[in-house]
Amino acid sequence: AQSVTQLDSHVSVSEGTPVLLRCNYSSSYSPSLFWYVQHPNKGLQLLLKYTSAATLVKGINGFEAEFKKSETSFHLTKPSAHMSDAAEYFCVVSAGDTGRRALTFGSGTRLQVQP
Amino acid sequence: DSGVTQTPKHLITATGQRVTLRCSPRSGDLSVYWYQQSLDQGLQFLIHYYNGEERAKGNILERFSAQQFPDLHSELNLSSLELGDSALYFCASQANYGYTFGSGTRLTVV
Repeated sequence: AQSVTQLDSHVSVSEGTPVLLRCNYSSSYSPSLFWYVQHPNKGLQLLLKYTSAATLVKGINGFEAEFKKSETSFHLTKPSAHMSDAAEYFCVVSAGDTGRRALTFGSGTRLQVQP
Repeated sequence: DSGVTQTPKHLITATGQRVTLRCSPRSGDLSVYWYQQSLDQGLQFLIHYYNGEERAKGNILERFSAQQFPDLHSELNLSSLELGDSALYFCASQANYGYTFGSGTRLTVV
């Protein structure tokens, strides 16, 4: 079984300040972990993914995430928020037997960026 | 453009009706996953097809069914629609690179 917990449903930051979106996971298998972003009335866009290579993963638009197995965490960070970062962010885990790798989504964190 | 095509983008229909949502995966991707995004349930996995065969089922209602055709496109059939079926339905295709989502079909049941 696998699950994802996004610790904050809403995060508000000022433009130019750091962003931290927190995610904890559980998985019976070695997980693949992802962060997706969804802008209003848009589809899901992949920000970054972890698949058992480097524990610090760099993604698009200046985002990065660090896989910490001891803490079962995969927090998303960005040094300086931009207004265009305002969106909903989903932490996602994929695990299981080959061919049955459905994604389990967290409940999402809505990021608000104040001018 | 993600390469995953979903049609239609919007669909409004009445309770009790049946609709079909269509998904064409990225060229060469054999896997198609269907997800439902609703306000109260969040994003939930419905069903996974790989090269025409059903591989896994998630929280899919018996009123819903899907199939994947030889050209790899997939259809999600929703029948006896209820108000609570109103949601955004996504499909995703998957290969070694990861998952790519389509832009979704917004279903409104009135």
